[in-house]
Amino acid sequence: EIVLTQSPGTLSLSPGERATLSCRASQSVSSSYLAWYQQKPGQAPRLLIYGASTRATGIPDRFSGSGSGTDFTLTISRLEPEDFAVYYCQQYGRSPMYTFGQGTKLEIK
Amino acid sequence: EVQLEESGGGLVQPGGSLRLSCAASGFTFSSYSMNWVRQAPGKGLEWVSHISFSSNTIYYADSVKGRFTISRDNAKNSLYLQMNSLRDEDTAVYYCARDYYQRIDYWGQGTLVTVSS
Repeated sequence: EIVLTQSPGTLSLSPGERATLSCRASQSVSSSYLAWYQQKPGQAPRLLIYGASTRATGIPDRFSGSGSGTDFTLTISRLEPEDFAVYYCQQYGRSPMYTFGQGTKLEIK
Repeated sequence: EVQLEESGGGLVQPGGSLRLSCAASGFTFSSYSMNWVRQAPGKGLEWVSHISFSSNTIYYADSVKGRFTISRDNAKNSLYLQMNSLRDEDTAVYYCARDYYQRIDYWGQGTLVTVSS
């Protein structure tokens, strides 16, 4: 089973700053199968990025994804107030079918 | 607009059973595989089960295998999760989620299942 480890656990930044979130896999992951989700309190997750770097429909271009192999990054170029949330990476595999990282909480400094 | 609406959650005693339902609309339900994903209070996301569009392929997380059963009725645009032998650790919000090319592109708002005596 592939384990996804996200860092940092909590990231404290101010609006306008740049956020860099990391997702490290215990084994190599196909970039095609790496996705990122955003979850706000009391809401369902929302797909942000799939295929490691492709933005989902309606996602602003300040969100970008990169990486390959075991190291993947979600970057938010300039934080807006609505971006403060929890972010999860996820990979598609065999068993289990989907694995999520433990999440990074992005909070207002 | 894609909509997924879960129902059937509630309070159940350990060892009990519960059946969750998910009503889908806004897309051709019979063309998409579906998933259940859960989130324990204050915790992260855990994939629970997957069913292909035709019900031919079904997968479960090890934590629920043998206790939970996923099914669907394409004529009713509905997804189900039968949960038996429930444990305290099954307490979570359960999300119905649409599968699209190895990612989950739409999620319902979730239904809370609480297992407690």
